[in-house]
Amino acid sequence: GDSVTQMEGPVTLSEEAFLTINCTYTATGYPSLFWYVQYPGEGLQLLLKATKADDKGSNKGFEATYRKETTSFHLEKGSVQVSDSAVYFCALTKNAGGTSYGKLTFGQGTILTVHP
Amino acid sequence: GAGVSQSPRYKVTKRGQDVALRCDPISGHVSLYWYRQALGQGPEFLTYFNYEAQQDKSGLPNDRFSAERPEGSISTLTIQRTEQRDSAMYRCASSRVTGRRDYNEQFFGPGTRLTVL
Repeated sequence: GDSVTQMEGPVTLSEEAFLTINCTYTATGYPSLFWYVQYPGEGLQLLLKATKADDKGSNKGFEATYRKETTSFHLEKGSVQVSDSAVYFCALTKNAGGTSYGKLTFGQGTILTVHP
Repeated sequence: GAGVSQSPRYKVTKRGQDVALRCDPISGHVSLYWYRQALGQGPEFLTYFNYEAQQDKSGLPNDRFSAERPEGSISTLTIQRTEQRDSAMYRCASSRVTGRRDYNEQFFGPGTRLTVL
């Protein structure tokens, strides 16, 4: 079945450091890919998405590029802030016959802590 | 506007009891999803509805779990004869519609933390 694998965590960085969180997936067909973020005490929020190969999703300084050849969707940010401390989830949903089926398959999550 | 709400936020119950978890989606959202999240893991799909119709229940782990959405709005996830392994965060999400070419963002509620003693 479909699956998403994230890098082992947690990740601890100093403010203004460069962030990479690795994500790879296994899926048949043409999935859409997402990064969700969960801030402390809050629910999951969509951070960014990419719906086809070579698309780049971006939001709040975060970026991720849909790489079909390596089945990857790594999350990057050039300069993290303390407020970026959260749990980050990579996820996919399947496209079938041109329509999007909304069931999400998530990775296990990566805890990011940013220190001043 | 109001987001997805879930109640109760915390539920502690004894093994063997039945529990009902409620989800109130964003007004007008057609699709509603239930996920379960174990500690340190990502959410896992349980079931989803379009309007009042349950479209996919393949993620429900066994027949003790059921869900309904009788009027196409509020949904209830019921767990009968709870077991300790049912302890988890149960999350609900809603979206405008599912099954179209463009993905419609799922908006998640805060979750219900279920603890079975």
